[in-house]
Amino acid sequence: GAVVSQHPSRVICKSGTSVKIECRSLDFQATTMFWYRQFPKQSLMLMATSNEGSKATYEQGVEKDKFLINHASLTLSTLTVTSAHPEDSSFYICSASLGTAQETQYFGPGTRLLVL
Amino acid sequence: QQPVQSPQAVILREGEDAVINCSSSKALYSVHWYRQKHGEAPVFLMILLKGGEQKGHEKISASFNEKKQQSSLYLTASQLSYSGTYFCGTEMMQGGSEKLVFGKGTKLTVNP
Repeated sequence: GAVVSQHPSRVICKSGTSVKIECRSLDFQATTMFWYRQFPKQSLMLMATSNEGSKATYEQGVEKDKFLINHASLTLSTLTVTSAHPEDSSFYICSASLGTAQETQYFGPGTRLLVL
Repeated sequence: QQPVQSPQAVILREGEDAVINCSSSKALYSVHWYRQKHGEAPVFLMILLKGGEQKGHEKISASFNEKKQQSSLYLTASQLSYSGTYFCGTEMMQGGSEKLVFGKGTKLTVNP
């Protein structure tokens, strides 16, 4: 099956610092990658859709200047949380698919971010 | 628009059956089912694309009604490993792009 990795798996940072999360599709080329945020005991909330070589599409209410997404290649997308604050603490999960949302999405293992 | 899942939680004994429902007020392009264990990422179970479709793998199956507004996930003879939170994701078009919108999840606990 398709494998998606995320790094780091867990990060603790001070308020005001920036954190970069990497999402890689290991054995397939992902045309589209999705970034989700999940608060405890809640559903996955889509933050943005990232297509290789183009600007990410952000969901309403998600600040694009705060959550910078770069999808430089068909196997790598990065999410940078800039000037992180405690309210940004969450579980961030990426997924990758071969094409549209109709295709199977393969999820990464997630990154747990704690901002102190 | 977020799909509605029911029930919110269910507790079973090993070997019992469960049904999880996912519904929308509008016809859907597709329905995806995922299972997530605590602290882990969701794992894909199956996609249903057509009205009236039924799909299954071993003791977990799902259906998509003819109007494509409701899907049900069937877990038969449940095993301890079935415990987790089940999410349905429905495909939506928004702003010219497609995305999945997930329900709030159904927490399934299977006890010995």
